[in-house]
Amino acid sequence: NAGVMQNPRHLVRRRGQEARLRCSPMKGHSHVYWYRQLPEEGLKFMVYLQKENIIDESGMPKERFSAEFPKEGPSILRIQQVVRGDSAAYFCASSYDGTQYFGPGTRLLVL
Amino acid sequence: DAKTTQPTSMDCAEGRAANLPCNHSTISGNEYVYWYRQIHSQGPQYIIHGLKNNETNEMASLIITEDRKSSTLILPHATLRDTAVYYCIVRVLNQGGKLIFGQGTELSVKP
Repeated sequence: NAGVMQNPRHLVRRRGQEARLRCSPMKGHSHVYWYRQLPEEGLKFMVYLQKENIIDESGMPKERFSAEFPKEGPSILRIQQVVRGDSAAYFCASSYDGTQYFGPGTRLLVL
Repeated sequence: DAKTTQPTSMDCAEGRAANLPCNHSTISGNEYVYWYRQIHSQGPQYIIHGLKNNETNEMASLIITEDRKSSTLILPHATLRDTAVYYCIVRVLNQGGKLIFGQGTELSVKP
């Protein structure tokens, strides 16, 4: 059973561009979580989704960030008009029974 | 979710047991104790979890005190590859439970 997949693993964007991060959960997992880790800081929860529904987005910045988990395909974390402060590692986790399993992360660098 | 307290850092000699403590004195009856680790900015790795009984798997053992106010993660024969930040998290086992990561314990396994 393949683990949680994230791509790209590294992403470089210039200020003002859009970043799209993808997460494919483990087979059979219908719950997806996104976390962010800023440089030299801890992991912070962003959003929790089930298929086609956002359940908890209490950790999402109010502007420029959005997430979706469509019926078919991976979950997408979208950051519009990126700024340097968005540079971070973004981790996705998936679960079936409550235990969350993490992917390898996407490292976003904004120039 | 209950708050946890862990030592900031610990050292362990390679081949010896690593015993990582965690205090969670305000834990509720339906909250589980979870352990994750993060090896040098990789995705967090699930280790083990338990409610009140001691648990063991291929990675580690989890010892929970009878009053459930503290626990210890035991890596029986630490290797250099066990060097990581270890996080103790308490949460209700349900799909809506986001993980709240504290500072964790930075474990250094030395030759």
